Amino acid sequence: EVQLLESGGGLVQPGGSLRLSCTVSGFTFGNYAMTWVRQPPGRGLEWVSSIFGSGAGTYYADSVKGRITISRDNSKNTLYLQMNSLRAEDTAVYYCAKQRGRGSVVYWHFDLWGRGTLVTVSS
Amino acid sequence: EIVLTQSPATLSLSPGERATLSCRASQSITIDLAWYQQKPGQAPRLLIYDASNRATGIPARFSGSGSGTDFTLTISSLEPEDFAVYYCQQRSNWPPRITFGQGTRLEIK
Repeated sequence: EVQLLESGGGLVQPGGSLRLSCTVSGFTFGNYAMTWVRQPPGRGLEWVSSIFGSGAGTYYADSVKGRITISRDNSKNTLYLQMNSLRAEDTAVYYCAKQRGRGSVVYWHFDLWGRGTLVTVSS
Repeated sequence: EIVLTQSPATLSLSPGERATLSCRASQSITIDLAWYQQKPGQAPRLLIYDASNRATGIPARFSGSGSGTDFTLTISSLEPEDFAVYYCQQRSNWPPRITFGQGTRLEIK
């Protein structure tokens, strides 16, 4: 069964750090680019960051650049999001998503999603 | 940054009716546009990619059209399970900057 499972969310104080994980099963993880998308409570979707299957290319939204780092461990079938200097506006459900395409063919839309993990930044 | 504007914000229809949702881009994106459905408490689900291609397992009542700056998602005959929020999404050229529309809520009339 194809599955993406996020973990690591929780309550953190402003200025704090958190690392999210997304463990996948049911497909060859290293063949696919992956993305993090977030959704503040009651609001729309916002792209956060993407990474190529090899890990060689990483891309960030301007709103998180310099504070957030995406990475992956293909041997562990796991995607990560290291979040530092967190702000109240980072409060959201964070989804990991698989991009369509395979290997060097990367499409920038998302055909599989996890259920999300909630990050709350508050004092 | 390319801005996607969806209209209407809310659409009230009855089961069996036809739904037409619009997504307008602030500049041309050729056909690099996708549509997603999101139900309360669930992750988004890919419906349409490249403006008009249905994703795997998506019923034929869902169709997408358009190119350039104007795109449409059509649901030919609404089923009860289709009432949800719908988002369009695009990727700008390079480096990739992905943006979503603000969403259209499709509610039961």
